[in-house]
Amino acid sequence: AQTVTQSQPEMSVQEAETVTLSCTYDTSESDYYLFWYKQPPSRQMILVIRQEAYKQQNATENRFSVNFQKAAKSFSLKISDSQLGDAAMYFCAYRRDTGANSKLTFGKGITLSVRP
Amino acid sequence: GAVVSQHPSRVICKSGTSVKIECRSLDFQATTMFWYRQFPKQSLMLMATSNEGSKATYEQGVEKDKFLINHASLTLSTLTVTSAHPEDSSFYICSAYGQIHNNEQFFGPGTRLTVL
Repeated sequence: AQTVTQSQPEMSVQEAETVTLSCTYDTSESDYYLFWYKQPPSRQMILVIRQEAYKQQNATENRFSVNFQKAAKSFSLKISDSQLGDAAMYFCAYRRDTGANSKLTFGKGITLSVRP
Repeated sequence: GAVVSQHPSRVICKSGTSVKIECRSLDFQATTMFWYRQFPKQSLMLMATSNEGSKATYEQGVEKDKFLINHASLTLSTLTVTSAHPEDSSFYICSAYGQIHNNEQFFGPGTRLTVL
């Protein structure tokens, strides 16, 4: 079974600084998908970034980028120029494929606070 | 596009009553919908996967008779918590899958259930 591990329960970052959130996973598949989701206080899940395992290039979305290390099964999220609105719970997630019934497996999440 | 709604957003009920939560895909057809449960500061726990027109597939440990799921159309799935008890109080989130936008799952805003 696939597992996703986020070992840091909380992190804090100064506004405008950079922070990296860690995630490791375990799978026997060679092709799969990895995601970072943001859950702000409103509790609405928001997709931050997605990475296809077959792509060597790390995904980037504006201030958000990932460091995908397939051999190490590591998938960290870097947030640059942190903003107060980035304060939220962040979940790393794994999905085996893009099929209809393909489930998302979530890590425990990390609470990120941003200091003004 | 890819908007998912949930109704109600909050519900308070007495112990022993049943509560129905609706999940709707507003601008796309959802062949599959997923129901999650989330406790405060914790991760999303998948309860069941529902496909339009067929019986839901429940995760291990989830009581089928307690949490009734119906996916009668391509835009609507319902979760009914039967004979609710205080321990059923939680945040319930649905997500919908449609063959759009990279075959992502799109999340509803969640429903907070409080059982007195």
